[in-house]
Amino acid sequence: GAGVSQSPSNKVTEKGKDVELRCDPISGHTALYWYRQSLGQGLEFLIYFQGNSAPDKSGLPSDRFSAERTGGSVSTLTIQRTQQEDSAVYLCASSLVGLATNEKLFFGSGTQLSVL
Amino acid sequence: DAKTTQPPSMDCAEGRAANLPCNHSTISGNEYVYWYRQIHSQGPQYIIHGLKNNETNEMASLIITEDRKSSTLILPHATLRDTAVYYCIGHNYGQNFVFGPGTRLSVLP
Repeated sequence: GAGVSQSPSNKVTEKGKDVELRCDPISGHTALYWYRQSLGQGLEFLIYFQGNSAPDKSGLPSDRFSAERTGGSVSTLTIQRTQQEDSAVYLCASSLVGLATNEKLFFGSGTQLSVL
Repeated sequence: DAKTTQPPSMDCAEGRAANLPCNHSTISGNEYVYWYRQIHSQGPQYIIHGLKNNETNEMASLIITEDRKSSTLILPHATLRDTAVYYCIGHNYGQNFVFGPGTRLSVLP
C-alpha cells in the first residue's frame, strides 16, 4: 500500500489478556517507530527499529511490552497481561533513513486499544 | 535529540499568518529542526524541516535564527483546518524522533 497500515484499528480486551498490534510500514522504509498516545496527552516514544541494528527499546514502559520486526518490514507490538492504564492509541511510523533531507516520519492511523 | 520548548497554546484569526515559536538552545550542529502537526484523532503529519537556512514549501515556511537557538514556523494564511497540535523537534538523522507536548494552535473564525 501507499501508506503505513496498522491493524486492528480498534481493539477491546479484558484486563489480563495479551494483545498483538500490527504495523505494515511503507515499502523500502528502513526505520520503524512505535508510539502511544493516551487521551489528551502527547506522543510517548516506545521503540525504534533501524535496519539490522539492535532496536532502541528505551521507551518501553515495562517488561509486559515487547516488539519485533520480521524481515525488516512488518512489526508487531505485543502487550502481555494488559492493564487498564495501557488503554491508548498506539501509533506506528516509518521513515526512509539515509539522508537527512529525506528522513520524514509517515504515521499510520493508529490502533485504539481499550482495556476493560 | 535536542530538547525544545514551545508555548502550550496559541490562537490565530482565520486568514492571518500563524507564527509558532520554538526554542532549541541546546541543538547540536548536526541536528535538524523538524515540525509536525497532529490534527484531532489523526497521526502526526510532517510539515517541514531545516538545518540552517530558511525553508519554504507548500504548507509553511521555517525561519531559523542565525545562532540556531530558535525557530519559527509560519503558516501564511491560517484556515480552520490548520487547528492542530504543532510539534517542534530537534533531530539528528538515524536517531529516533522524540515528541514534546507541542503547541495547540486554535484558528478562530
